[in-house]
Amino acid sequence: GQQVMQIPQYQHVQEGEDFTTYCNSSTTLSNIQWYKQRPGGHPVFLIQLVKSGEVKKQKRLTFQFGEAKKNSSLHITATQTTDVGTYFCAGDAGNMLTFGGGTRLMVKP
Amino acid sequence: DGGITQSPKYLFRKEGQNVTLSCEQNLNHDAMYWYRQDPGQGLRLIYYSQIVNDFQKGDIAEGYSVSREKKESFPLTVTSAQKNPTAFYLCASSSGLETQYFGPGTRLLVL
Repeated sequence: GQQVMQIPQYQHVQEGEDFTTYCNSSTTLSNIQWYKQRPGGHPVFLIQLVKSGEVKKQKRLTFQFGEAKKNSSLHITATQTTDVGTYFCAGDAGNMLTFGGGTRLMVKP
Repeated sequence: DGGITQSPKYLFRKEGQNVTLSCEQNLNHDAMYWYRQDPGQGLRLIYYSQIVNDFQKGDIAEGYSVSREKKESFPLTVTSAQKNPTAFYLCASSSGLETQYFGPGTRLLVL
């Protein structure tokens, strides 16, 4: 079955440093979604990427979808303490949305 | 005010007891899902339903059961066969394969 892997599992950064999490799928995806889960909270939808090579930005967050539509990345510029949480990618291969294991981001003030 | 609700927020289960977690949505979504999340871990799919009166097993269905008698409701029962039920349970709904909207979750603890 479809597998979606995320790396790294954990990341500690100093406030102001950049952060990137990577998502890789075993199959070609029709789209990929990103979610953020704050500590103690529930996942909240951030964005969906559909086109090959697509890049979308939300303030300090940059999302990319690979040319082959099998990988994606989320980059945060100049992290803030409010960025703390777990970031999940979720890939849609046409029949089911499969979540990656998530990357837990911790930011030291 | 549209959304997805789960109750209770915390639930305690005794040995050998079945417990039912509630999930209700008023988003008019056809699809609903149950996930289990262990501390520091990702989301594992327990069951999902794409239409009323139909549901499918996810990756970790053993020890759980569901029903989908109404579009708005997708309760999850954690049976006594689930030997390690302590976890955070998240319900979600979606319109097809679009964005999933998650409820606030239920934390299940074993006494």
